[in-house]
Amino acid sequence: GDSVTQMEGPVTLSEEAFLTINCTYTATGYPSLFWYVQYPGEGLQLLLKATKADDKGSNKGFEATYRKETTSFHLEKGSVQVSDSAVYFCALRQPDNTDKLIFGTGTRLQVFP
Amino acid sequence: DTGVSQNPRHKITKRGQNVTFRCDPISEHNRLYWYRQTLGQGPEFLTYFQNEAQLEKSRLLSDRFSAERPKGSFSTLEIQRTEQGDSAMYLCASSLDQGLPETQYFGPGTRLLVL
Repeated sequence: GDSVTQMEGPVTLSEEAFLTINCTYTATGYPSLFWYVQYPGEGLQLLLKATKADDKGSNKGFEATYRKETTSFHLEKGSVQVSDSAVYFCALRQPDNTDKLIFGTGTRLQVFP
Repeated sequence: DTGVSQNPRHKITKRGQNVTFRCDPISEHNRLYWYRQTLGQGPEFLTYFQNEAQLEKSRLLSDRFSAERPKGSFSTLEIQRTEQGDSAMYLCASSLDQGLPETQYFGPGTRLLVL
């Protein structure tokens, strides 16, 4: 079945460092790909998405490019802030009637000043 | 606040008791989803509704679980005869189906602890 694999955390960085969180997927066809973020004590929020190969999603300085050849959707940010500390989830959605999301296990990011 | 709301936010119960959670989706969203998230894992799909119709249930949803959305607005998730393995965060999400896949908006979740 379809699945998403994320790098294990926690990822610990100093403020202004470069961030990469790896995400790869296994799926048939052409799923849509997402990054969700969960700040402490809050619900999941959509960070960015890409719906087809080579699309780049971006938001709040974060970017991810849908790479079908490597089945990857790595999350990057050039300069992280303490306020970016959260758990990041990669997810996919198949274009079927359900639209259910399949999530990875999440990667905790800790940014220190 | 016009986001997805869930109640209660926390629930502690004893094994064998029944619990019920409520989800109020964003107004006019016709799709509603339930997910379960255990510690250190990502959310897992449980079931979803299109208006009041429950259209798919995951194999994770045992016979002790039942979900309803009687008027196509709020939804309830009931767990009967709770077990310690039911301890998890239960997440609700909603979206507006207009013929194209739309973003799912998540509520803050209900954290269940079964003692």
